[in-house]
Amino acid sequence: EAQVTQNPRYLITVTGKKLTVTCSQNMNHEYMSWYRQDPGLGLRQIYYSMNVEVTDKGDVPEGYKVSRKEKRNFPLILESPSPNQTSLYFCASSLLPLRQGYGELFFGEGSRLTVL
Amino acid sequence: KQEVTQIPAALSVPEGENLVLNCSFTDSAIYNLQWFRQDPGKGLTSLLLIQSSQREQTSGRLNASLDKSSGRSTLYIAASQPGDSATYLCAVGFFSYNTDKLIFGTGTRLQVFP
Repeated sequence: EAQVTQNPRYLITVTGKKLTVTCSQNMNHEYMSWYRQDPGLGLRQIYYSMNVEVTDKGDVPEGYKVSRKEKRNFPLILESPSPNQTSLYFCASSLLPLRQGYGELFFGEGSRLTVL
Repeated sequence: KQEVTQIPAALSVPEGENLVLNCSFTDSAIYNLQWFRQDPGKGLTSLLLIQSSQREQTSGRLNASLDKSSGRSTLYIAASQPGDSATYLCAVGFFSYNTDKLIFGTGTRLQVFP
């Protein structure tokens, strides 16, 4: 089954404790992206990746890191989480980036993060 | 600034009604527009994708139209059912000088009651 898998789905942590949210897709997609969703603000892009070893900042990259060492995986790293990073996080992928005529964007189920 | 707006923010209708959800955007230089459905606590599911060269797309009871010149898209849902209750989001792929942008609206929360 074609899917985007995120882990963990739910996480409560404390300020400053490093954490990683994993994202994996099994569709051989080139483009992957991370979003956060907050009430009243909608989905905002954190980072995206056009292909292996190619990543770039989205609209709200502060406090986050990413890496793309393999095509299927795109982990999101919070080096020192703060309460304002409490949010619902989504990973998404598509076959190609926008500029190359990307098609359908597939989303993971989301990871709800609470930072105390 | 490129923005995407969805009106209304919430909608409650009786089962069987035909309804229209609206999405407006500020810049006509777009790659495409995509409509999604989001159920509570779940991820987004793609409903329809309209490329900039297209005027509409249809899937079952759903029909999405695109008018780039006026910066508008509508999602038409025919014969609504309680199972259609969800939040509907539109996302617009904009041209940008150094990086392409996919910007989401804040959604329309739809409730269809029996």
